Amino acid sequence: QKEVEQNSGPLSVPEGAIASLNCTYSDRVSQSFFWYRQYSGKSPELIMSIYSNGDKEDGRFTAQLNKASQYVSLLIRDSQPSDSATYLCAVTGNNNDMRFGAGTRLTVKP
Amino acid sequence: DTAVSQTPKYLVTQMGNDKSIKCEQNLGHDTMYWYKQDSKKFLKIMFSYNNKELIINETVPNRFSPKSPDKAHLNLHINSLELGDSAVYFCASSQGLAGGSKTQYFGPGTRLLVL
Repeated sequence: QKEVEQNSGPLSVPEGAIASLNCTYSDRVSQSFFWYRQYSGKSPELIMSIYSNGDKEDGRFTAQLNKASQYVSLLIRDSQPSDSATYLCAVTGNNNDMRFGAGTRLTVKP
Repeated sequence: DTAVSQTPKYLVTQMGNDKSIKCEQNLGHDTMYWYKQDSKKFLKIMFSYNNKELIINETVPNRFSPKSPDKAHLNLHINSLELGDSAVYFCASSQGLAGGSKTQYFGPGTRLLVL
């Protein structure tokens, strides 16, 4: 079983819609959860971080964490073509290393 | 005023050669990392240094040897390059270890192609 799992996509949504990206993780002692965005040929950049159960909102982005279900998600409201990228879920645990999922490729169609 | 920089940006070389990739961060961070991203875009940690001390050493062939001369630099030397080493190598840094709320900032990547 992979440590961090994401649906590789591609996920395609129309402009203005809500894009929902999901991630599950296997290590129950995971402490910190991150969403990175990576444009093609570029380096990952941090979008959101979340550490406790519930929702965390930042502009058009909302991260949701459910530790009991070992599940973290990212919602992108009012999706824009510029949101088209690969979104990487990352999880850290007690041993201080960050484990990434394989990423979900999102396409927002005008 | 680049935060995390890597050189070279592109590296094309023959199998069996030895090559080095350099990384520098000017963020004042004390922890640096090397990641490998393969053709399927899977990003996997290789090494992590905190205050010049190796703290994470994943299952990586010993042909790969990191070196941290100071907190701002983490270089990666690769001996006897193989075809499977072709990937994008990202350097990253954070203030403090990755556990907890320590955001990692990534460099632009080094695209290595082994022929």
